[in-house]
Amino acid sequence: AQKITQTQPGMFVQEKEAVTLDCTYDTSDPSYGLFWYKQPSSGEMIFLIYQGSYDQQNATEGRYSLNFQKARKSANLVISASQLGDSAMYFCAMMNYGGSQGNLIFGKGTKLSVKP
Amino acid sequence: GAGVSQSPSNKVTEKGKDVELRCDPISGHTALYWYRQRLGQGLEFLIYFQGNSAPDKSGLPSDRFSAERTGESVSTLTIQRTQQEDSAVYLCASSLHIRSNRGIDQPQHFGDGTRLSIL
Repeated sequence: AQKITQTQPGMFVQEKEAVTLDCTYDTSDPSYGLFWYKQPSSGEMIFLIYQGSYDQQNATEGRYSLNFQKARKSANLVISASQLGDSAMYFCAMMNYGGSQGNLIFGKGTKLSVKP
Repeated sequence: GAGVSQSPSNKVTEKGKDVELRCDPISGHTALYWYRQRLGQGLEFLIYFQGNSAPDKSGLPSDRFSAERTGESVSTLTIQRTQQEDSAVYLCASSLHIRSNRGIDQPQHFGDGTRLSIL
């Protein structure tokens, strides 16, 4: 079964510190992509970072990096130098490329709160 | 450029009524997706379009739900005979294409959603 698991319902981090949000996935498809989205309280879904299953290097986008451990099927998001504006829900998602499905499979999310 | 636009932003209706939700994707995006997000939950896939065909309708919860897309532009999601459990935020997303030879997909860009409340 294809599944995304985010085990941390809520996380707190001190401003300016780094934080890791966990994500594990389950798929039998050798070709897939992993995405992280941010959803502030206003509700919009903001794309943060992408990792392809065949990518050799971990993805980075500014303060965001993805710790991709393929053998462990984990794709943790690392946010460095946290800012108050990082407080939001964070969703890990996966897309499988082997079948006809084009949808993202989402985890239940992690609520990150950045403390001043 | 304009992002994904959804209308209405909020809809309150009585149980049993039909509702129609609209999505205008980013210009040039061939793929369009509908998701549902219940309060405090993650996103639940409903349907996606590649062009105006829908290869995957597996997420539609019941036959009360249907969706159409005109060419590579506007899509409408229709819910007939609404029930209280249909209350949720309905999110639309679009992307450039599904696959490339690298397997990479362009990220899906989301609209702000339609908040549907069934009384």
